[in-house]
Amino acid sequence: DQQVKQNSPSLSVQEGRISILNCDYTNSMFDYFLWYKKYPAEGPTFLISISSIKDKNEDGRFTVFLNKSAKHLSLHIVPSQPGDSAVYFCAASASATDKLIFGTGTRLQVFP
Amino acid sequence: GAGVSQTPSNKVTEKGKYVELRCDPISGHTALYWYRQSLGQGPEFLIYFQGTGAADDSGLPNDRFFAVRPEGSVSTLKIQRTERGDSAVYLCASSLGSSRDTQYFGPGTRLTVL
Repeated sequence: DQQVKQNSPSLSVQEGRISILNCDYTNSMFDYFLWYKKYPAEGPTFLISISSIKDKNEDGRFTVFLNKSAKHLSLHIVPSQPGDSAVYFCAASASATDKLIFGTGTRLQVFP
Repeated sequence: GAGVSQTPSNKVTEKGKYVELRCDPISGHTALYWYRQSLGQGPEFLIYFQGTGAADDSGLPNDRFFAVRPEGSVSTLKIQRTERGDSAVYLCASSLGSSRDTQYFGPGTRLTVL
């Protein structure tokens, strides 16, 4: 039972364009959502988060949007840079617990 | 400052053997987490420590898996009678300890059971 789903295993975007990574969840108890970036042979690195009381959070080139009614969130990267090429994981947690439930990841490739 | 470190970086063992994986969290972080990442999957929660005690061990797959954090700092994940299905990257993360504090991950230990 996959509670956090990333249906696109890969995404290829040209440098300078917008990258949009999507994530769906099924558990209505989730109230905190995060995006992590992972390079090969390294651990995941925190990127940005959003609480369920918000519908948007922005940090530089990265913006996360949350649609609670659709149980959907997305990460926008603009403009995309070659250094953004990595695997991106969506994660969620419920207030009753600190454990993170991760999606399966989307591999982003930004080409020149 | 230093991040989360994990040793060894790679471990190859034979089916049925016992292994220990070590995690050194960021100094001052009271919360420590273990996750397991299989090929093509996201990290899967195993266990969470707050200080020395296991606050949530609901992710441990069976009683072959055990973890300790005796002094509230370094943690060891122990796997008995390893099976080929235990092969994965074992990730450790730590945080300051309050709810919603960012979890910082180590590079992981790649375990291969032959």
